[in-house]
Amino acid sequence: LAKTTQPISMDSYEGQEVNITCSHNNIATNDYITWYQQFPSQGPRFIIQGYKTKVTNEVASLFIPADRKSSTLSLPRVSLSDTAVYYCLVGVIGNTPLVFGKGTRLSVIA
Amino acid sequence: DSGVTQTPKHLITATGQRVTLRCSPRSGDLSVYWYQQSLDQGLQFLIQYYNGEERAKGNILERFSAQQFPDLHSELNLSSLELGDSALYFCASSVDPVGISGNTIYFGEGSWLTVV
Repeated sequence: LAKTTQPISMDSYEGQEVNITCSHNNIATNDYITWYQQFPSQGPRFIIQGYKTKVTNEVASLFIPADRKSSTLSLPRVSLSDTAVYYCLVGVIGNTPLVFGKGTRLSVIA
Repeated sequence: DSGVTQTPKHLITATGQRVTLRCSPRSGDLSVYWYQQSLDQGLQFLIQYYNGEERAKGNILERFSAQQFPDLHSELNLSSLELGDSALYFCASSVDPVGISGNTIYFGEGSWLTVV
């Protein structure tokens, strides 16, 4: 599984757009990029997944440049309820065990 | 609701004891994963089963064991419990058809284990 690097923590005010970048320099050709969100004492929740370019769903957008060595999770107009830890994972899920890093602790301030 | 069911939700037991955590994967999912999350720690991968067979093993202690049954539910057995085993134990599942990419896994709400 490709090693990932993301900021330990970020702060944001309500209503702002938050971008969390993840570096994965040794991503393999078959690897997908997947982001999870975890609230305290709850299981991680799938947010978004992509392979290249841009993916958007009702929750977030995922931007992946052509070289795929990084990705950016974009959360539009965050609210207090978006305060959580966000994990970036790279790999072929199911074929290799998912290894979670420390994630990015996002704190949204009123 | 992810569709992954874990029981019990909370468990308090004494050191030296043995407990069993149970997981029912989402309908149709063949893979089951177990993770441990201690206070202020990240998610530590313990073990993965696919269709009844062990597929991958992570940082699982010898005191811990798991299995996946023919009906695909899984159990994580923790024995000779120590204070440091107190943690949130998550089960996750995925469809995991071999060779298909872009899959994802779904987590249950976890089982809180407190060892006193």
